[in-house]
Amino acid sequence: DAGITQSPRYKITETGRQVTLMCHQTWSHSYMFWYRQDLGHGLRLIYYSAAADITDKGEVPDGYVVSRSKTENFPLTLESATRSQTSVYFCASSESGHRANFYGYTFGSGTRLTVV
Amino acid sequence: ELKVEQNPLFLSMQEGKNYTIYCNYSTTSDRLYWYRQDPGKSLESLFVLLSNGAVKQEGRLMASLDTKARLSTLHITAAVHDLSATYFCAVEFEPGAASKLTFGTGTRLQVTL
Repeated sequence: DAGITQSPRYKITETGRQVTLMCHQTWSHSYMFWYRQDLGHGLRLIYYSAAADITDKGEVPDGYVVSRSKTENFPLTLESATRSQTSVYFCASSESGHRANFYGYTFGSGTRLTVV
Repeated sequence: ELKVEQNPLFLSMQEGKNYTIYCNYSTTSDRLYWYRQDPGKSLESLFVLLSNGAVKQEGRLMASLDTKARLSTLHITAAVHDLSATYFCAVEFEPGAASKLTFGTGTRLQVTL
């Protein structure tokens, strides 16, 4: 189905483990984003990508790694998970990152990650 | 520092009443988005406001943007229970470059019978 999908939907991992969250979109949108949502903070940008092989840091990038070898995929890796990374993670995509974007950003359904 | 502030953070209102959610932001932008989020769900786009004075309406919700005051409002008219959700505003900074959204903390709206 067309759209933006995230996997897994839920994940429990132990402190210190590496975990990868997947994001796949079928629209060929240039821009993709990773946000985390925490109570009292709204959504905060972790990393974003303007195109394949182009990524940049957002507001809270520490402890995360991203890659974008293909336009449609934008995985987020927690290299050594910590309890402070317990959160809900949302992937989003956008047709364009520039002012011509009239349609906003489309969000995936989210991944609820718990680090124990 | 870029800041987007919403108030109130929590709003309990009776069905049939009117109310306004406010979104203030700290730096120049003429592009603002409103999203709705139901519990445990993703974010659903409600409005995209692209210029000063922009006003958009959908059903019982109306959003406006005043870029000079750096303020957007989301007005709820004659609330119904189905409007219960968390509402986020998000401001797009750095126009002309790779723009990104900065979100407010959200307003949790509870409409009671």
